[in-house]
Amino acid sequence: GAGVSQSPSNKVTEKGKDVELRCDPISGHTALYWYRQSLGQGLEFLIYFQGNSAPDKSGLPSDRFSAERTGGSVSTLTIQRTQQEDSAVYLCASSLSGFGDRSSKTQYFGPGTRLLVL
Amino acid sequence: DAKTTQPPSMDCAEGRAANLPCNHSTISGNEYVYWYRQIHSQGPQYIIHGLKNNETNEMASLIITEDRKSSTLILPHATLRDTAVYYCIVRVRGAGSYQLTFGKGTKLSVIP
Repeated sequence: GAGVSQSPSNKVTEKGKDVELRCDPISGHTALYWYRQSLGQGLEFLIYFQGNSAPDKSGLPSDRFSAERTGGSVSTLTIQRTQQEDSAVYLCASSLSGFGDRSSKTQYFGPGTRLLVL
Repeated sequence: DAKTTQPPSMDCAEGRAANLPCNHSTISGNEYVYWYRQIHSQGPQYIIHGLKNNETNEMASLIITEDRKSSTLILPHATLRDTAVYYCIVRVRGAGSYQLTFGKGTKLSVIP
């Protein structure tokens, strides 16, 4: 079946511009997560959605970062006034639920959006 | 979540079984063992997870020791496409535990 999709797959932007990254989770998955991964580094958690609400935004690195989710499905991560240090792969994952038994919490990842800020 | 220790790299001949070890000596009773992998330039891919019983799916087998302090991921017939970084993580079952934290993992190279 269809997995998590993300768009664009690659984005090159100039410092100071705003960017929007989109995530389409697996149909029926109520939980959605954003991470980023810098070159050669591990995963950095950004934000978690359960439905349309975000119980945990603690990973957002600054107020230039925001995310929303509508209709319990698509999510958009927005980075305002991009900086060179924002360059990374932004990964989205979804799970059937954010809580409950082990199977419902398994996270499935999209291919990521590679962001390069010049 | 408990810490895990994995060898930084391993080689495996194509067609042979790849056995990837993971130590999680401080694992607690309500923590599951999860395995993900990341092929170069792709998002992480879920492989398998377990609590205390051995598990098998279409991708791999997971063998967990009786004391649960270590586990082994087995790819029964490794192919070149299995070349990736493999991450072993332990996660608490519960509402608050949703962040995934990957360590450095094991870089598996499947050799023709």
